[in-house]
Amino acid sequence: QVHLEQSGPEVKKPGASVTVSCKASGYNFTSNTIQWVRQAPGQRLEWMGYITGNGDTRYPQSFQGRVTLTRNTSASTAYMDLSSLRSEDTAVYYCAREVYVGTAPFDTWGQGTLVTVSS
Amino acid sequence: DIQLTQSPSFLSASVGDRVTITCRASQGIGSFLAWYQQKPGKAPKLLIYTASTLQSGVPSRFSGSRSGTEFTLTISSLQPEDFATYYCQQLNTYPRTFGPGTKVDFK
Repeated sequence: QVHLEQSGPEVKKPGASVTVSCKASGYNFTSNTIQWVRQAPGQRLEWMGYITGNGDTRYPQSFQGRVTLTRNTSASTAYMDLSSLRSEDTAVYYCAREVYVGTAPFDTWGQGTLVTVSS
Repeated sequence: DIQLTQSPSFLSASVGDRVTITCRASQGIGSFLAWYQQKPGKAPKLLIYTASTLQSGVPSRFSGSRSGTEFTLTISSLQPEDFATYYCQQLNTYPRTFGPGTKVDFK
Protein backbone atom coordinates (compact mmCIF):
# COMPACT_ATOMS: atom_id res chain seq x y z
CA GLN A 1 0.00 0.00 0.00
CA VAL A 2 1.00 3.62 -0.36
CA HIS A 3 3.29 4.72 2.47
CA LEU A 4 5.41 7.77 3.30
CA GLU A 5 8.16 7.32 5.88
CA GLN A 6 9.77 10.44 7.31
CA SER A 7 13.10 10.94 9.03
CA GLY A 8 13.42 11.25 12.79
CA PRO A 9 13.14 14.22 15.16
CA GLU A 10 15.64 17.04 15.00
CA VAL A 11 16.87 19.62 17.49
CA LYS A 12 18.51 22.69 15.98
CA LYS A 13 19.86 26.01 17.16
CA PRO A 14 18.52 29.32 15.85
CA GLY A 15 20.11 30.22 12.54
CA ALA A 16 20.80 26.63 11.56
CA SER A 17 19.23 24.60 8.77
CA VAL A 18 17.31 21.33 8.87
CA THR A 19 16.58 18.65 6.30
CA VAL A 20 13.59 16.33 6.59
CA SER A 21 13.29 13.34 4.26
CA CYS A 22 10.19 11.53 3.06
CA LYS A 23 10.59 8.07 1.50
CA ALA A 24 7.69 6.88 -0.63
CA SER A 25 6.68 3.30 -1.31
CA GLY A 26 3.77 1.42 -2.84
CA TYR A 27 3.33 3.62 -5.91
CA ASN A 28 5.24 5.22 -8.79
CA PHE A 29 7.06 8.06 -7.03
CA THR A 30 7.27 10.27 -10.13
CA SER A 31 3.52 10.04 -10.83
CA ASN A 32 2.41 12.21 -7.91
CA THR A 33 3.23 15.54 -6.34
CA ILE A 34 4.60 15.59 -2.80
CA GLN A 35 3.27 18.38 -0.62
CA TRP A 36 4.81 19.65 2.62
CA VAL A 37 2.78 20.96 5.55
CA ARG A 38 3.78 21.95 9.05
CA GLN A 39 1.93 22.31 12.33
CA ALA A 40 3.27 24.41 15.18
CA PRO A 41 2.09 23.48 18.69
CA GLY A 42 -1.63 24.19 19.03
CA GLN A 43 -1.77 25.81 15.59
CA ARG A 44 -3.49 25.07 12.32
CA LEU A 45 -1.83 23.24 9.46
CA GLU A 46 0.36 25.46 7.27
CA TRP A 47 1.24 24.68 3.65
CA MET A 48 4.96 24.94 2.84
CA GLY A 49 5.19 23.99 -0.80
CA TYR A 50 5.22 21.15 -3.29
CA ILE A 51 7.46 19.28 -5.67
CA THR A 52 5.93 17.57 -8.69
CA GLY A 53 6.85 14.32 -10.34
CA ASN A 54 8.78 16.38 -12.90
CA GLY A 55 10.68 18.19 -10.16
CA ASP A 56 8.83 21.49 -10.45
CA THR A 57 8.45 23.34 -7.18
CA ARG A 58 6.20 26.00 -5.73
CA TYR A 59 6.43 27.79 -2.40
CA PRO A 60 4.21 30.21 -0.50
CA GLN A 61 5.42 33.77 -0.20
CA SER A 62 5.85 33.32 3.55
CA PHE A 63 8.62 30.75 3.01
CA GLN A 64 10.25 32.13 -0.13
CA GLY A 65 14.01 31.95 0.14
CA ARG A 66 14.02 29.78 3.25
CA VAL A 67 12.56 26.49 2.06
CA THR A 68 13.90 24.27 -0.69
CA LEU A 69 12.22 21.08 -1.87
CA THR A 70 14.18 18.45 -3.77
CA ARG A 71 13.83 14.78 -4.61
CA ASN A 72 15.87 11.72 -5.49
CA THR A 73 13.80 9.66 -7.90
CA SER A 74 16.07 6.63 -7.73
CA ALA A 75 15.53 6.53 -3.96
CA SER A 76 11.84 7.52 -4.15
CA THR A 77 12.61 10.16 -1.54
CA ALA A 78 11.65 13.80 -1.22
CA TYR A 79 13.51 16.33 0.92
CA MET A 80 12.54 19.56 2.64
CA ASP A 81 15.32 21.97 3.61
CA LEU A 82 14.47 24.89 5.88
CA SER A 83 17.16 27.46 6.61
CA SER A 84 17.68 30.36 9.02
CA LEU A 85 15.68 28.55 11.68
CA ARG A 86 14.01 30.52 14.45
CA SER A 87 12.04 29.46 17.48
CA GLU A 88 8.76 29.94 15.60
CA ASP A 89 9.80 27.12 13.24
CA THR A 90 9.39 24.60 16.05
CA ALA A 91 6.70 22.35 14.62
CA VAL A 92 5.82 18.94 13.28
CA TYR A 93 6.61 18.76 9.57
CA TYR A 94 4.61 16.47 7.31
CA CYS A 95 4.98 15.29 3.75
CA ALA A 96 1.84 14.20 1.95
CA ARG A 97 0.95 12.77 -1.44
CA GLU A 98 -1.36 14.71 -3.72
CA VAL A 99 -3.85 12.28 -5.24
CA TYR A 100 -3.74 13.72 -8.76
CA VAL A 101 -2.52 16.85 -10.48
CA GLY A 102 -4.56 19.96 -9.87
CA THR A 103 -7.25 20.47 -7.27
CA ALA A 104 -6.44 17.27 -5.45
CA PRO A 105 -6.54 16.44 -1.75
CA PHE A 106 -3.66 14.90 0.19
CA ASP A 107 -4.57 11.25 0.53
CA THR A 108 -1.49 9.82 2.26
CA TRP A 109 0.61 11.51 4.91
CA GLY A 110 3.94 10.74 6.49
CA GLN A 111 4.02 10.19 10.24
CA GLY A 112 5.46 13.66 10.86
CA THR A 113 8.88 14.90 11.96
CA LEU A 114 9.23 17.08 15.04
CA VAL A 115 11.74 19.87 14.56
CA THR A 116 12.64 21.77 17.71
CA VAL A 117 14.52 25.05 17.44
CA SER A 118 16.11 26.05 20.71
CA SER A 119 19.28 27.70 21.90
CA ASP B 1 -4.87 34.21 0.11
CA ILE B 2 -8.16 32.43 0.72
CA GLN B 3 -9.08 32.44 4.41
CA LEU B 4 -11.06 29.60 5.96
CA THR B 5 -13.01 29.91 9.19
CA GLN B 6 -14.56 27.04 11.11
CA SER B 7 -17.35 26.91 13.64
CA PRO B 8 -17.53 25.91 16.33
CA SER B 9 -13.93 25.86 17.51
CA PHE B 10 -14.81 23.33 20.16
CA LEU B 11 -17.71 20.93 20.44
CA SER B 12 -18.73 18.66 23.29
CA ALA B 13 -20.78 15.67 22.25
CA SER B 14 -21.79 12.16 23.26
CA VAL B 15 -21.62 8.85 21.45
CA GLY B 16 -24.57 8.60 19.09
CA ASP B 17 -24.97 12.37 18.65
CA ARG B 18 -25.31 14.00 15.25
CA VAL B 19 -22.46 16.48 14.83
CA THR B 20 -22.19 19.30 12.30
CA ILE B 21 -19.09 21.40 11.62
CA THR B 22 -19.08 24.41 9.32
CA CYS B 23 -16.24 25.85 7.21
CA ARG B 24 -16.57 29.18 5.40
CA ALA B 25 -14.27 30.41 2.65
CA SER B 26 -13.45 34.10 2.22
CA GLN B 27 -14.14 33.84 -1.51
CA GLY B 28 -15.49 31.34 -4.01
CA ILE B 29 -13.64 28.03 -4.24
CA GLY B 30 -16.21 25.99 -6.14
CA SER B 31 -16.44 22.58 -4.53
CA PHE B 32 -12.70 22.31 -4.04
CA LEU B 33 -12.70 21.65 -0.32
CA ALA B 34 -11.48 18.70 1.70
CA TRP B 35 -12.00 17.61 5.30
CA TYR B 36 -9.39 15.90 7.44
CA GLN B 37 -9.51 14.23 10.86
CA GLN B 38 -6.52 14.49 13.17
CA LYS B 39 -5.96 12.66 16.43
CA PRO B 40 -3.32 13.73 18.97
CA GLY B 41 0.20 12.87 17.84
CA LYS B 42 -1.01 11.59 14.47
CA ALA B 43 -1.00 12.87 10.92
CA PRO B 44 -4.22 14.18 9.40
CA LYS B 45 -6.45 11.64 7.67
CA LEU B 46 -8.43 12.51 4.55
CA LEU B 47 -12.17 12.07 5.04
CA ILE B 48 -13.93 13.96 2.26
CA TYR B 49 -12.86 15.85 -0.89
CA THR B 50 -14.59 17.95 -3.54
CA ALA B 51 -16.94 18.95 -0.73
CA SER B 52 -18.93 15.72 -0.63
CA THR B 53 -16.92 12.79 -2.01
CA LEU B 54 -16.16 10.21 0.67
CA GLN B 55 -12.58 8.96 0.64
CA SER B 56 -12.26 5.20 0.21
CA GLY B 57 -12.48 3.36 3.51
CA VAL B 58 -14.10 6.22 5.44
CA PRO B 59 -17.33 5.20 7.22
CA SER B 60 -20.56 6.37 5.65
CA ARG B 61 -21.59 8.19 8.84
CA PHE B 62 -19.34 10.99 7.56
CA SER B 63 -20.79 13.26 4.89
CA GLY B 64 -20.09 16.66 3.40
CA SER B 65 -22.09 19.34 1.65
CA ARG B 66 -21.71 22.78 0.15
CA SER B 67 -23.85 25.89 -0.10
CA GLY B 68 -22.02 28.69 -1.87
CA THR B 69 -18.90 29.37 0.16
CA GLU B 70 -20.18 27.50 3.21
CA PHE B 71 -19.25 23.86 3.67
CA THR B 72 -20.51 21.38 6.21
CA LEU B 73 -19.10 18.16 7.63
CA THR B 74 -21.68 15.97 9.32
CA ILE B 75 -21.16 12.89 11.46
CA SER B 76 -24.54 11.20 11.62
CA SER B 77 -23.90 9.14 14.76
CA LEU B 78 -20.73 9.95 16.66
CA GLN B 79 -18.59 6.95 17.55
CA PRO B 80 -15.85 6.74 20.23
CA GLU B 81 -13.13 6.77 17.56
CA ASP B 82 -14.47 10.02 16.11
CA PHE B 83 -13.30 12.21 18.99
CA ALA B 84 -10.61 14.24 17.25
CA THR B 85 -9.90 17.59 15.62
CA TYR B 86 -11.32 18.27 12.16
CA TYR B 87 -9.79 20.61 9.59
CA CYS B 88 -11.06 21.89 6.28
CA GLN B 89 -8.67 22.70 3.42
CA GLN B 90 -9.31 24.62 0.23
CA LEU B 91 -7.91 23.08 -2.96
CA ASN B 92 -8.94 25.79 -5.41
CA THR B 93 -5.89 28.01 -5.40
CA TYR B 94 -2.37 28.33 -4.07
CA PRO B 95 -1.32 28.84 -1.38
CA ARG B 96 -3.32 25.93 -0.04
CA THR B 97 -4.92 26.98 3.23
CA PHE B 98 -6.51 25.18 6.14
CA GLY B 99 -9.16 26.13 8.62
CA PRO B 100 -8.27 26.59 12.31
CA GLY B 101 -9.83 23.28 13.30
CA THR B 102 -12.78 22.06 15.33
CA LYS B 103 -12.06 19.86 18.33
CA VAL B 104 -14.75 17.30 19.10
CA ASP B 105 -14.55 16.18 22.70
CA PHE B 106 -16.57 14.08 25.16
CA LYS B 107 -19.48 15.82 26.82
